[in-house]
Amino acid sequence: GAGVSQSPRYKVAKRGQDVALRCDPISGHVSLFWYQQALGQGPEFLTYFQNEAQLDKSGLPSDRFFAERPEGSVSTLKIQRTQQEDSAVYLCASSLVPGAGTQYFGPGTRLLVL
Amino acid sequence: QQQVKQSPQSLIVQKGGISIINCAYENTAFDYFPWYQQFPGKGPALLIAIRPDVSEKKEGRFTISFNKSAKQFSLHIMDSQPGDSATYFCAASMSMHQTGANNLFFGTGTRLTVIP
Repeated sequence: GAGVSQSPRYKVAKRGQDVALRCDPISGHVSLFWYQQALGQGPEFLTYFQNEAQLDKSGLPSDRFFAERPEGSVSTLKIQRTQQEDSAVYLCASSLVPGAGTQYFGPGTRLLVL
Repeated sequence: QQQVKQSPQSLIVQKGGISIINCAYENTAFDYFPWYQQFPGKGPALLIAIRPDVSEKKEGRFTISFNKSAKQFSLHIMDSQPGDSATYFCAASMSMHQTGANNLFFGTGTRLTVIP
Protein backbone atom coordinates (compact mmCIF):
# COMPACT_ATOMS: atom_id res chain seq x y z
CA GLY A 1 0.00 0.00 0.00
CA ALA A 2 0.94 3.66 -0.21
CA GLY A 3 0.37 4.55 3.43
CA VAL A 4 2.77 5.33 6.26
CA SER A 5 4.58 2.26 7.49
CA GLN A 6 6.40 1.74 10.76
CA SER A 7 8.70 -0.97 12.03
CA PRO A 8 8.94 -2.86 14.20
CA ARG A 9 5.27 -3.07 15.14
CA TYR A 10 6.17 -4.33 18.61
CA LYS A 11 9.34 -3.95 20.61
CA VAL A 12 10.18 -5.29 24.04
CA ALA A 13 13.26 -3.81 25.63
CA LYS A 14 14.97 -4.26 28.95
CA ARG A 15 15.40 -1.10 30.95
CA GLY A 16 18.63 0.57 29.91
CA GLN A 17 18.62 -0.77 26.36
CA ASP A 18 18.70 1.49 23.32
CA VAL A 19 15.94 1.15 20.73
CA ALA A 20 15.43 2.48 17.20
CA LEU A 21 12.01 2.90 15.63
CA ARG A 22 11.61 3.40 11.91
CA CYS A 23 9.05 5.36 9.91
CA ASP A 24 8.50 5.24 6.15
CA PRO A 25 6.27 8.19 5.23
CA ILE A 26 4.10 8.46 2.16
CA SER A 27 6.34 9.10 -0.84
CA GLY A 28 6.73 12.80 -1.56
CA HIS A 29 5.40 13.98 1.78
CA VAL A 30 7.44 16.90 3.02
CA SER A 31 6.31 16.97 6.63
CA LEU A 32 6.91 14.19 9.14
CA PHE A 33 5.78 14.08 12.75
CA TRP A 34 6.45 11.74 15.65
CA TYR A 35 3.87 11.37 18.42
CA GLN A 36 3.81 9.35 21.63
CA GLN A 37 0.54 7.75 22.73
CA ALA A 38 0.31 6.46 26.27
CA LEU A 39 -2.29 3.82 27.06
CA GLY A 40 -5.78 5.30 27.05
CA GLN A 41 -4.57 8.76 26.04
CA GLY A 42 -4.42 10.88 22.92
CA PRO A 43 -1.20 11.15 20.93
CA GLU A 44 1.26 13.80 22.10
CA PHE A 45 3.66 15.59 19.79
CA LEU A 46 7.34 14.74 19.99
CA THR A 47 9.11 16.25 17.00
CA TYR A 48 8.66 17.60 13.47
CA PHE A 49 10.70 17.42 10.25
CA GLN A 50 10.32 19.42 7.10
CA ASN A 51 12.26 17.39 4.56
CA GLU A 52 15.54 16.60 6.36
CA ALA A 53 15.40 19.60 8.69
CA GLN A 54 14.22 19.01 12.25
CA LEU A 55 12.32 22.24 12.87
CA ASP A 56 10.71 21.42 16.18
CA LYS A 57 11.80 19.00 18.88
CA SER A 58 10.02 20.71 21.73
CA GLY A 59 7.99 17.61 22.60
CA LEU A 60 10.91 15.25 23.14
CA PRO A 61 10.66 14.32 26.84
CA SER A 62 14.38 14.06 27.54
CA ASP A 63 17.78 14.09 25.90
CA ARG A 64 17.55 10.31 25.68
CA PHE A 65 15.21 10.79 22.73
CA PHE A 66 16.74 11.55 19.35
CA ALA A 67 15.19 11.65 15.88
CA GLU A 68 16.63 12.00 12.41
CA ARG A 69 15.53 12.09 8.78
CA PRO A 70 18.83 12.38 6.93
CA GLU A 71 17.57 12.16 3.33
CA GLY A 72 14.17 13.74 3.84
CA SER A 73 12.23 10.49 3.59
CA VAL A 74 12.68 7.66 6.14
CA SER A 75 12.91 8.76 9.75
CA THR A 76 14.26 7.02 12.83
CA LEU A 77 13.35 7.74 16.43
CA LYS A 78 16.00 6.53 18.83
CA ILE A 79 15.57 6.16 22.55
CA GLN A 80 18.69 5.64 24.60
CA ARG A 81 18.82 3.95 28.00
CA THR A 82 15.11 3.15 27.92
CA GLN A 83 13.07 3.61 31.08
CA GLN A 84 9.73 2.04 32.04
CA GLU A 85 7.97 5.36 31.53
CA ASP A 86 8.98 5.21 27.85
CA SER A 87 6.50 2.36 27.35
CA ALA A 88 3.93 3.67 24.86
CA VAL A 89 2.88 3.52 21.24
CA TYR A 90 5.05 5.68 19.02
CA LEU A 91 3.17 7.03 16.01
CA CYS A 92 4.59 8.56 12.88
CA ALA A 93 2.53 10.82 10.63
CA SER A 94 3.28 12.54 7.34
CA SER A 95 1.64 15.26 5.34
CA LEU A 96 2.20 16.53 1.82
CA VAL A 97 2.28 20.23 2.51
CA PRO A 98 4.08 22.01 5.37
CA GLY A 99 1.83 24.04 7.64
CA ALA A 100 -1.39 22.59 6.32
CA GLY A 101 -3.06 19.46 5.10
CA THR A 102 -4.06 16.12 6.43
CA GLN A 103 -1.68 14.17 8.60
CA TYR A 104 -1.66 10.48 7.72
CA PHE A 105 -0.69 8.18 10.55
CA GLY A 106 1.16 4.91 10.52
CA PRO A 107 0.05 1.93 12.64
CA GLY A 108 2.57 2.76 15.36
CA THR A 109 5.26 0.87 17.22
CA ARG A 110 4.23 -0.45 20.60
CA LEU A 111 7.23 -0.25 22.94
CA LEU A 112 7.25 -2.11 26.21
CA VAL A 113 10.17 -1.51 28.55
CA LEU A 114 10.58 -4.12 31.25
CA GLN B 1 -1.95 21.50 30.44
CA GLN B 2 -4.45 19.87 28.11
CA GLN B 3 -4.90 22.22 25.16
CA VAL B 4 -8.00 20.40 23.91
CA LYS B 5 -10.55 19.03 26.35
CA GLN B 6 -12.82 16.20 25.22
CA SER B 7 -15.94 14.60 26.67
CA PRO B 8 -17.37 12.16 27.38
CA GLN B 9 -14.64 9.65 28.09
CA SER B 10 -16.89 6.80 26.96
CA LEU B 11 -20.22 6.57 25.19
CA ILE B 12 -22.66 3.74 24.58
CA VAL B 13 -25.26 4.21 21.85
CA GLN B 14 -27.90 1.94 20.37
CA LYS B 15 -27.63 1.08 16.69
CA GLY B 16 -29.36 3.78 14.67
CA GLY B 17 -28.91 6.40 17.37
CA ILE B 18 -26.93 9.62 17.34
CA SER B 19 -23.48 9.76 18.93
CA ILE B 20 -22.30 13.18 20.10
CA ILE B 21 -18.77 13.97 21.27
CA ASN B 22 -17.73 17.41 22.46
CA CYS B 23 -14.43 19.28 22.54
CA ALA B 24 -13.29 22.66 23.80
CA TYR B 25 -10.09 24.63 23.30
CA GLU B 26 -8.49 27.81 24.64
CA ASN B 27 -5.86 28.79 22.09
CA THR B 28 -7.47 31.15 19.55
CA ALA B 29 -4.51 30.60 17.21
CA PHE B 30 -5.88 27.15 16.37
CA ASP B 31 -7.29 27.19 12.83
CA TYR B 32 -7.75 23.54 11.93
CA PHE B 33 -9.94 21.08 13.82
CA PRO B 34 -9.90 17.44 12.69
CA TRP B 35 -11.55 14.39 14.15
CA TYR B 36 -9.67 11.10 14.08
CA GLN B 37 -11.00 7.57 14.46
CA GLN B 38 -8.78 4.89 15.96
CA PHE B 39 -9.37 1.16 16.09
CA PRO B 40 -7.36 -1.05 18.48
CA GLY B 41 -3.87 -1.71 17.18
CA LYS B 42 -4.20 0.86 14.40
CA GLY B 43 -3.06 4.41 13.93
CA PRO B 44 -5.56 7.28 13.99
CA ALA B 45 -7.36 7.88 10.68
CA LEU B 46 -8.82 11.22 9.66
CA LEU B 47 -12.60 11.20 9.71
CA ILE B 48 -13.58 14.80 9.02
CA ALA B 49 -12.08 18.23 9.60
CA ILE B 50 -13.23 21.85 9.77
CA ARG B 51 -11.71 25.31 9.66
CA PRO B 52 -13.14 28.18 11.74
CA ASP B 53 -14.61 30.08 8.80
CA VAL B 54 -17.61 27.71 8.72
CA SER B 55 -19.96 26.61 11.50
CA GLU B 56 -20.81 23.17 10.21
CA LYS B 57 -19.44 20.52 7.90
CA LYS B 58 -21.17 17.32 6.93
CA GLU B 59 -19.72 14.24 5.26
CA GLY B 60 -22.11 11.32 5.03
CA ARG B 61 -23.23 10.35 8.53
CA PHE B 62 -20.58 12.53 10.19
CA THR B 63 -21.10 16.21 11.03
CA ILE B 64 -18.84 18.70 12.79
CA SER B 65 -20.49 21.64 14.49
CA PHE B 66 -18.16 24.52 15.29
CA ASN B 67 -18.81 27.44 17.65
CA LYS B 68 -15.96 29.92 17.34
CA SER B 69 -17.16 32.32 20.05
CA ALA B 70 -17.53 29.52 22.58
CA LYS B 71 -14.33 27.81 21.39
CA GLN B 72 -16.14 24.51 21.14
CA PHE B 73 -16.68 21.93 18.45
CA SER B 74 -18.49 18.63 18.35
CA LEU B 75 -18.81 15.49 16.28
CA HIS B 76 -22.22 14.04 15.51
CA ILE B 77 -22.49 10.52 14.14
CA MET B 78 -25.95 9.91 12.73
CA ASP B 79 -27.46 6.43 12.39
CA SER B 80 -24.62 4.97 14.46
CA GLN B 81 -23.55 1.46 13.47
CA PRO B 82 -21.67 -1.29 15.34
CA GLY B 83 -18.79 -0.76 12.90
CA ASP B 84 -18.44 2.79 14.26
CA SER B 85 -17.31 1.34 17.61
CA ALA B 86 -13.86 2.84 18.07
CA THR B 87 -12.04 5.58 19.94
CA TYR B 88 -12.56 9.08 18.59
CA PHE B 89 -10.13 11.93 19.09
CA CYS B 90 -10.68 15.58 18.45
CA ALA B 91 -7.61 17.64 17.68
CA ALA B 92 -6.50 21.15 16.83
CA SER B 93 -3.53 22.74 15.15
CA MET B 94 -2.29 26.13 14.01
CA SER B 95 -0.96 26.64 10.50
CA MET B 96 1.18 29.64 11.45
CA HIS B 97 3.16 28.00 14.24
CA GLN B 98 6.44 29.80 14.83
CA THR B 99 8.49 26.69 14.09
CA GLY B 100 6.44 25.71 11.05
CA ALA B 101 5.24 22.60 12.81
CA ASN B 102 1.48 22.41 12.51
CA ASN B 103 1.47 19.55 14.98
CA LEU B 104 -1.84 18.29 16.30
CA PHE B 105 -2.97 18.76 19.90
CA PHE B 106 -5.26 15.85 20.69
CA GLY B 107 -8.08 15.45 23.16
CA THR B 108 -8.03 12.48 25.52
CA GLY B 109 -10.37 10.40 23.40
CA THR B 110 -13.90 9.01 23.56
CA ARG B 111 -14.47 5.30 23.45
CA LEU B 112 -17.68 4.74 21.49
CA THR B 113 -19.57 1.48 21.68
CA VAL B 114 -22.57 0.99 19.40
CA ILE B 115 -24.85 -1.78 20.59
CA PRO B 116 -26.60 -3.83 17.87
